[in-house]
Amino acid sequence: GNSVTQMEGPVTLSEEAFLTINCTYTATGYPSLFWYVQYPGEGLQLLLKATKADDKGSNKGFEATYRKETTSFHLEKGSVQVSDSAVYFCALRVKVYAGANSKLTFGKGITLSVRP
Amino acid sequence: DGGITQSPKYLFRKEGQNVTLSCEQNLNHDAMYWYRQDPGQGLRLIYYSQIVNDFQKGDIAEGYSVSREKKESFPLTVTSAQKNPTAFYLCASAGTSFSSRETQYFGPGTRLLVL
Repeated sequence: GNSVTQMEGPVTLSEEAFLTINCTYTATGYPSLFWYVQYPGEGLQLLLKATKADDKGSNKGFEATYRKETTSFHLEKGSVQVSDSAVYFCALRVKVYAGANSKLTFGKGITLSVRP
Repeated sequence: DGGITQSPKYLFRKEGQNVTLSCEQNLNHDAMYWYRQDPGQGLRLIYYSQIVNDFQKGDIAEGYSVSREKKESFPLTVTSAQKNPTAFYLCASAGTSFSSRETQYFGPGTRLLVL
């Protein structure tokens, strides 16, 4: 089956520190990979995505590269801000067939706190 | 502005009571989803619908029911058979074009509490 494993949290960093959040996956077929972010009390927002091997997704200073050889999609940011404090979810979607809205499989999420 | 709305923001359920959570979208999306979020467990899929008048069970459908009579609406009923309903419930939708079905858009969520 499909699964996503995220590193254990929570993570606490000082402002301007470097961030890495690990994500590895197991999937049948050829998944698309996603990072979603959830700010306190809100729903999820798509942060970035990659749809094939070696693609790099990027947004708001965050980056993640789809590594098929290590089945990983680690999230990185060079300098975090207090406003980046949120819960981050890694997810995958396996393409079933053309036109199908197949399901997302989520990791457990990790809470990031950035202190001034 | 296009988006997904969920109501109410907070909902209280008494023992033995059924409650219904609303989800409405004006994105013209065909597919809609309901997830349950518990602390430390990520999101788990309850039900999803790819088209009007059709829906499928997700991973944790027991104790829940849905309907999809209109494209823009996908209400979720938490029945009295759901013994542990306290959670944060998230609704999402996705399009069917090649690019739009890649991304699910989420509503702001409803927090359900048991009295």
